[in-house]
Amino acid sequence: DVKVTQSSRYLVKRTGEKVFLECVQDMDHENMFWYRQDPGLGLRLIYFSYDVKMKEKGDIPEGYSVSREKKERFSLILESASTNQTSMYLCASTPIGVPSLYGYTFGSGTRLTVV
Amino acid sequence: GESVGLHLPTLSVQEGDNSIINCAYSNSASDYFIWYKQESGKGPQFIIDIRSNMDKRQGQRVTVLLNKTVKHLSLQIAATQPGDSAVYFCAENIDNYGQNFVFGPGTRLSVLP
Repeated sequence: DVKVTQSSRYLVKRTGEKVFLECVQDMDHENMFWYRQDPGLGLRLIYFSYDVKMKEKGDIPEGYSVSREKKERFSLILESASTNQTSMYLCASTPIGVPSLYGYTFGSGTRLTVV
Repeated sequence: GESVGLHLPTLSVQEGDNSIINCAYSNSASDYFIWYKQESGKGPQFIIDIRSNMDKRQGQRVTVLLNKTVKHLSLQIAATQPGDSAVYFCAENIDNYGQNFVFGPGTRLSVLP
């Protein structure tokens, strides 16, 4: 069964900490995405990557950065965590292709609480 | 800009009844739409998709209807079961390559015994 795995299901971090959220996929997908999910706001795109060492800003990149050193791994970094970054974070991947069917394969999510 | 929204944030239905979840989208050029189901503690999972050259597509107990005239999408679940309780949201492909989507805020479906 193909998978997108997020390393942590729940995280509690202090304001100002540097936080790393890890995502690994085993499907050899080229595209990987980080979203945050907040009640009533749906999924909002933070960053995405179409290839190794490549990254593009999404709709809400402020306060975040990403790293993609290997094709299967896409990391989201909160440089200095703040309480407004408390959220559910979802990683997703898709293969490259025109068109890509079935949309994204999502991980199970990381619920981050910043105190 | 493009946006996808849902009309109802919550929906409660009796077990065995049919459920209808609605979605409005704003980009008339979008040609691919997906419905996702997200159960508590899990990531969203693909349910059914539809392309803009269709107005109806059926799966197992689920049907998606697309009305391009009014830019409306709906998900119908037949004979709703307790296992259907989840948040459902639609996604609109905005790049026509199936690689970037805009998501609606979601509707929580509760199935009553």
